[in-house]
Amino acid sequence: AQKITQTQPGMFVQEKEAVTLDCTYDTSDQSYGLFWYKQPSSGEMIFLIYQGSYDEQNATEGRYSLNFQKARKSANLVISASQLGDSAMYFCAMRESLFGNEKLTFGTGTRLTIIP
Amino acid sequence: DTEVTQTPKHLVMGMTNKKSLKCEQHMGHRAMYWYKQKAKKPPELMFVYSYEKLSINESVPSRFSPECPNSSLLNLHLHALQPEDSALYLCASSQASGGALETQYFGPGTRLLVL
Repeated sequence: AQKITQTQPGMFVQEKEAVTLDCTYDTSDQSYGLFWYKQPSSGEMIFLIYQGSYDEQNATEGRYSLNFQKARKSANLVISASQLGDSAMYFCAMRESLFGNEKLTFGTGTRLTIIP
Repeated sequence: DTEVTQTPKHLVMGMTNKKSLKCEQHMGHRAMYWYKQKAKKPPELMFVYSYEKLSINESVPSRFSPECPNSSLLNLHLHALQPEDSALYLCASSQASGGALETQYFGPGTRLLVL
């Protein structure tokens, strides 16, 4: 079963608009972390933001915020005031707190294109 | 400083060649990772080193041989690769604190083409 699901293969958004990228996850663990990475065409995976399962407040990092709804098992990324440089592939990932398990499980990604 | 460096940026090799990919970090991280990423797919974990010891090998073929000479360096030795091994190879590092919130920081990757 898919542990991380990103249902939007591609999105087109007008510059300066806000955009929400969807991510749902599946785990039976109580302690887990959710991460978002940005991958431009150059290939580097850039860490954007993370949310811990015990965090009561949504994480924010500059223009990025994570809309964490634990009961629905969703961790959507919100980018405010989008810029042309935001055009990239975005991956949602989860790390479960299993002993000896250092794995990140990635979703299939969403390709975001910002239109001028 | 959250920089992970990788060399070379691009590599073209024949199926009989031997080459190595290098990764370096100076963040004091004690866990290092190799991922393989095919086009339009998410990264796939290959190997994990924790405190210079191999802790995870995701059933990677023996033509890929990882090496961790010290806590800052990670190599991936390549030998007798196949064209289907052509991909972006990403290195990452993290603190090795063992918590669920441990963040992995990635390098820029090496684009490998096997002819």
